[in-house]
Amino acid sequence: AQRVTQPEKLLSVFKGAPVELKCNYSYSGSPELFWYVQYSRQRLQLLLRHISRESIKGFTADLNKGETSFHLKKPFAQEEDSAMYYCALKNNAGNMLTFGGGTRLMVKP
Amino acid sequence: ETGVTQSPTHLIKTRGQQVTLRCSSQSGHNTVSWYQQALGQGPQFIFQYYREEENGRGNFPPRFSGLQFPNYSSELNVNALELDDSALYLCASSLGEGELFFGEGSRLTVL
Repeated sequence: AQRVTQPEKLLSVFKGAPVELKCNYSYSGSPELFWYVQYSRQRLQLLLRHISRESIKGFTADLNKGETSFHLKKPFAQEEDSAMYYCALKNNAGNMLTFGGGTRLMVKP
Repeated sequence: ETGVTQSPTHLIKTRGQQVTLRCSSQSGHNTVSWYQQALGQGPQFIFQYYREEENGRGNFPPRFSGLQFPNYSSELNVNALELDDSALYLCASSLGEGELFFGEGSRLTVL
């Protein structure tokens, strides 16, 4: 069975500090991983996906198959980064996503 | 371009009742997925519809059922409501297996 774990419910940092939101997964096949973000009073939206290897809003995430991790990183946090972040895994059999429990990021001024 | 819209935004039911939630997919999308998000948890996959056929189902009992219409809008029906069904129900549309676009959700409270 596939599973996504986000060990931190809440992560609080100061503006300008580095951020790392942890995500670990278990999946027997070749995973496709995503990060979704939900800003206050907005809908859930895609932040980035591992296959595109892009940087969005200064965030990057590298898939580490050896450690089964897909941590989200940003070198310098901004107050507008405060939001709920969800890591998600897509299986090979369709467009079903398995989400982690989410991490609330709070960036303090 | 119209995004994913869901109705109603909030509703309250009592145990044993039935509920229907509605979703209009984003223009051009032919696939709709439904997720249940309990308080403090991540969304959990219920099922997906592609061209009016169920195209995958998560670990939910048969009292959770759905429909997709020719215009690709969708309904989620839940029979014999239980207290644990209280949650935010999210609809997401996509073009096949492309990026999911989520609605704002319908918050169901079961008393």
